[in-house]
Order: sequence, then structure tokens, then C-alpha cells
Amino acid sequence: DAKTTQPTSMDCAEGRAANLPCNHSTISGNEYVYWYRQIHSQGPQYIIHGLKNNETNEMASLIITEDRKSSTLILPHATLRDTAVYYCIVRVAGGGSQGNLIFGKGTKLSVKP
Amino acid sequence: NAGVTQTPKFQVLKTGQSMTLQCAQDMNHNSMYWYRQDPGMGLRLIYYSASEGTTDKGEVPNGYNVSRLNKREFSLRLESAAPSQTSVYFCASSPQGTAPYEQYFGPGTRLTVT
Repeated sequence: DAKTTQPTSMDCAEGRAANLPCNHSTISGNEYVYWYRQIHSQGPQYIIHGLKNNETNEMASLIITEDRKSSTLILPHATLRDTAVYYCIVRVAGGGSQGNLIFGKGTKLSVKP
Repeated sequence: NAGVTQTPKFQVLKTGQSMTLQCAQDMNHNSMYWYRQDPGMGLRLIYYSASEGTTDKGEVPNGYNVSRLNKREFSLRLESAAPSQTSVYFCASSPQGTAPYEQYFGPGTRLTVT
């Protein structure tokens, strides 16, 4: 699986958009980009995923560059409850161990009042 | 729907003791997973079960055994606990093991081995 690179930490003001970058320069054509987050002491929570096109759901937007080597997770109006560690994960579209998630250290997002 | 439930929430063991962590999901998912998370680290996969009746090793399987009891339940057993197994254990499930299906996680079991 392709490795991902994320900043260790980021700050964001409450009510502003939070833009979390992820580099996955070795991604291959059959690999999806996933984002999960983990609020302190809780289990990880799925946010969004994409293959090539930009995606949006009720939680966030995912922007994937045309060459697919990087992506950005956007939380449009961050709240204090969005303070969490955000994981960018690249995952193949296959079964068995190929389909397993590999978690790095993620980005610690702190939303400040 | 309760989603993914785990018991117990907390456990303290002495070195050499055994215990079983329980996990159940009510979403009719085929695939289930066990992860561990050490302080300041991401999650690491211990074992997974792609479907009822199958189990496979993940990244860090040593010292653990699993049982996929039925479609709903997936247990993790520590036969002889060691201090290195002090961690937070998360169970997860997904409709299938293949992308693009997302995983749903339980609240975790915090295990301390002294």
C-alpha cells in the first residue's frame, strides 16, 4: 500500500474552514483515499473516501488532485467537537490483507474558540 | 442499532493471566477486525475475519488468538498476558473486506497488564 504523509498538528479557529493536507505520491490506480478521525479516547470514525473525483458528504469534502498524489480534507465550518486526530489512509480495492486499513500517526487538529 | 459493542471497557491483568475480549456488531456485516493502539501511535491490525468461518493474521498477531463465533461476534484471546500487551483494543466491522466499504469501530477496551 502507498504510504501517506500528513502534518503532525494543525490549529483552526472555530467557525472557519479546516483544510487538512495529505501526500500520497506513490498511490496506484486502484487505491482509494480514505479519511478517518479519532476523537480523544474513542474509536476511529469514518469521514469520507474517494478514488479520483472530489467527494462531499454531510461531514466534509475531499479534494483529490488530478494526478492523485495528494488530497485535502475540508471541514467547512469547524467546531470545537471537530478537535481530533485525522488519519489519511490509502487502501487498495481488494480483499484479504490488501484491503486492510493501515493507520499512520495522523494530524492532530485543534479547533480553538 | 447499537453498532459495534465491546466488553469489558477496562481490564487490569497480572502477567501470565488470560482473558477474552468480546466484540459484537448488529449491522449484519461480513468482515470484522481487531486492532491495538499504543500511546501516541496509530492503530495496528492484530487479526481480521473477512467472513464468518475465516480468520487471518494482521500486522501484530503474536500473543493473540481469535474466534469468529458467528456472523455477529468476534473475540480476541490473550492466553498469557504480558506487559507489552498493555494497550487500547478496538474492534471494527465492515460490510465486506474490500474497498470501498468503510469500517465501523467500537468504543475500545483499555487493558493494563502489570
